[in-house]
Amino acid sequence: TQLLEQSPQFLSIQEGENLTVYCNSSSVFSSLQWYRQEPGEGPVLLVTVVTGGEVKKLKRLTFQFGDARKDSSLHITAAQPGDTGLYLCAGLLSSNTGKLIFGQGTTLQVKP
Amino acid sequence: DTAVSQTPKYLVTQMGNDKSIKCEQNLGHDTMYWYKQDSKKFLKIMFSYNNKELIINETVPNRFSPKSPDKAHLNLHINSLELGDSAVYFCASSQDPNIQYFGAGTRLSVL
Repeated sequence: TQLLEQSPQFLSIQEGENLTVYCNSSSVFSSLQWYRQEPGEGPVLLVTVVTGGEVKKLKRLTFQFGDARKDSSLHITAAQPGDTGLYLCAGLLSSNTGKLIFGQGTTLQVKP
Repeated sequence: DTAVSQTPKYLVTQMGNDKSIKCEQNLGHDTMYWYKQDSKKFLKIMFSYNNKELIINETVPNRFSPKSPDKAHLNLHINSLELGDSAVYFCASSQDPNIQYFGAGTRLSVL
């Protein structure tokens, strides 16, 4: 069974703090995708990292793909209440099938 | 215009009934998917179709039958609904598997 372990599952922080979410696996992925999901909505893609060691930035969010393409992290700098939501990592096992394996998700609450 | 739309948004039904969820995408994508999200927010792939051809069929009970009449539509029919089928079902589509677009979900409650 391919697993993608995401941690922490829950995170409650004050506005202005930094945080990091991790996704780890023993499987090698073609790519790693990060999604954000609001209540009552579907996941929305934030970023896809493809190359081992790749770092991508999206404003205050920094995404990194591990050198071996087995793990990834999402770092948020100076979190704001608008960052509150469910963050999901998903590893693409095969680009031929498009099969995504999701992590368990991280519920982030940023308090003003 | 909604890129990936699924109907209904909410579905409440009794055990043993048969129900369908419809999905349409107007993005011109070749591949469509069905995912199930459980009460702990864990998302799992169920099926995928590429140009109406079944590509992924995970270990899903055969009470679940996807149907793709054309590449813009992927419907999910569920027979003999059980309590454990209660979940949120998401449809998604992609042209590049690295970029998947999700619908807003169908919340199924089986009583």
